[in-house]
Amino acid sequence: ETGVTQSPTHLIKTRGQQVTLRCSSQSGHNTVSWYQQALGQGPQFIFQYYREEENGRGNFPPRFSGLQFPNYSSELNVNALELDDSALYLCASSLQGFAYEQYFGPGTRLTVT
Amino acid sequence: QKEVEQNSGPLSVPEGAIASLNCTYSDRVSQSFFWYRQYSGKSPELIMSIYSNGDKEDGRFTAQLNKASQYVSLLIRDSQPSDSATYLCAAYDTGNQFYFGTGTSLTVIP
Repeated sequence: ETGVTQSPTHLIKTRGQQVTLRCSSQSGHNTVSWYQQALGQGPQFIFQYYREEENGRGNFPPRFSGLQFPNYSSELNVNALELDDSALYLCASSLQGFAYEQYFGPGTRLTVT
Repeated sequence: QKEVEQNSGPLSVPEGAIASLNCTYSDRVSQSFFWYRQYSGKSPELIMSIYSNGDKEDGRFTAQLNKASQYVSLLIRDSQPSDSATYLCAAYDTGNQFYFGTGTSLTVIP
């Protein structure tokens, strides 16, 4: 059974640029959720995708957007990057929604300069 | 009150002792709770989930849910230095939002 994978591992971008992060869900899981974790904080929920539809969103501006593909992999896109977007971005997959346990990928460390 | 709150610690226990980690929650979250462990620089790793009032045991870990008092706890028996990590409590609400606490840092002293 393949676990959750994310790419890239690390990324450095300049303020104002756009970035795309990728996530492959665990085999058999149809739900992917994205989180942002700043240093010393707990992960903050960005949004969830279930069967290719956004199925819940946290308190993040519209410049954070996402996609889920038919194979249940997912992308997180962030436009007009700001310095405060520097964080660890985590993807988690679950069997179906939050009622089922979520399993996290290794994360993507984004640095905005 | 935040949806999920934890004492950030740090918590230090000697090797072999019981570590007790606590989390309180608001009325806004559901009655399903999750404990994650996160080593420095790594992603969260699921330890246990608990959905019913009472205790749930898995090896050296016991999760306890008390709905009347709105708290959930994690006990780690026979603590080992490898248990040194940040422990995150989490829950979700009916609006399909997921919440993590800020985490409790645990150090097990050999």
